[in-house]
Amino acid sequence: DQQVKQNSPSLSVQEGRISILNCDYTNSMFDYFLWYKKYPAEGPTFLISISSIKDKNEDGRFTVFLNKSAKHLSLHIVPSQPGDSAVYFCAAKLTGNQFYFGTGTSLTVIP
Amino acid sequence: DTAVSQTPKYLVTQMGNDKSIKCEQNLGHDTMYWYKQDSKKFLKIMFSYNNKELIINETVPNRFSPKSPDKAHLNLHINSLELGDSAVYFCASTQRGRQTQYFGPGTRLLVL
Repeated sequence: DQQVKQNSPSLSVQEGRISILNCDYTNSMFDYFLWYKKYPAEGPTFLISISSIKDKNEDGRFTVFLNKSAKHLSLHIVPSQPGDSAVYFCAAKLTGNQFYFGTGTSLTVIP
Repeated sequence: DTAVSQTPKYLVTQMGNDKSIKCEQNLGHDTMYWYKQDSKKFLKIMFSYNNKELIINETVPNRFSPKSPDKAHLNLHINSLELGDSAVYFCASTQRGRQTQYFGPGTRLLVL
C-alpha cells in the first residue's frame, strides 16, 4: 500500500521557467514532508521540508506548498536551471522516524 | 570524509549465494535505515535501527538480516539470494527527532 504517490514519472521544463512537482499522500498522521533530489548513481540528498502545521516553506529558488485538506504537496522551482535536472522524491514522516517515499519524478530542464 | 558510505557499490552474484552489504556513517547519528529501490523506482524502507536496537522491520523476508555492531554501522546480510532481490539498496542515517535523512550512494545488487 503506497502511502505517498508521485503520479508524474517525468517532467520537462525550459530553463528559466517554473517547475512544479506534485505529490499526494493518504495518511493524515504524517507530521513532516520532505523533498529529496537524486542524481544518477548517487543517493538521494535532502532539498527542503515542511512541517504538517505549515502550508508553505521557501528556501531560495525552492518552495514547498502543503494542502492538508487535499493531502497534497508540491515543490516549485523558479527559475529552473539545467543543474536542477534530477529525480525528485517526495517523502513523508510519521512520528518515530518512519519515512515513506514516492516513486520519484524525473525533471529535465532544457537549456 | 564521506558522511554515509556503503560497500560494495556493485555486487553481482548467483542465485542461492549469501552476501553482505556494509554501511557506515560518521555523522554521529543514532538512527540508521536500509531501503530497497526496485525496478519500479519505489524507495521502500526495510529496516530501521536506533542505538543498535531494531525499531522498524517492514515485511521483509527473513533471508534479510540487519546487524548493527555499533551506532555508526548497520550491515545487511542476505541469505539464499533470489532473482527478485536484484535492486539498489540504500543506507541512510538520521538523528532521532530530526527530519532529514542522509543517504549513502547505494549498492547495486544483481542476482543472476
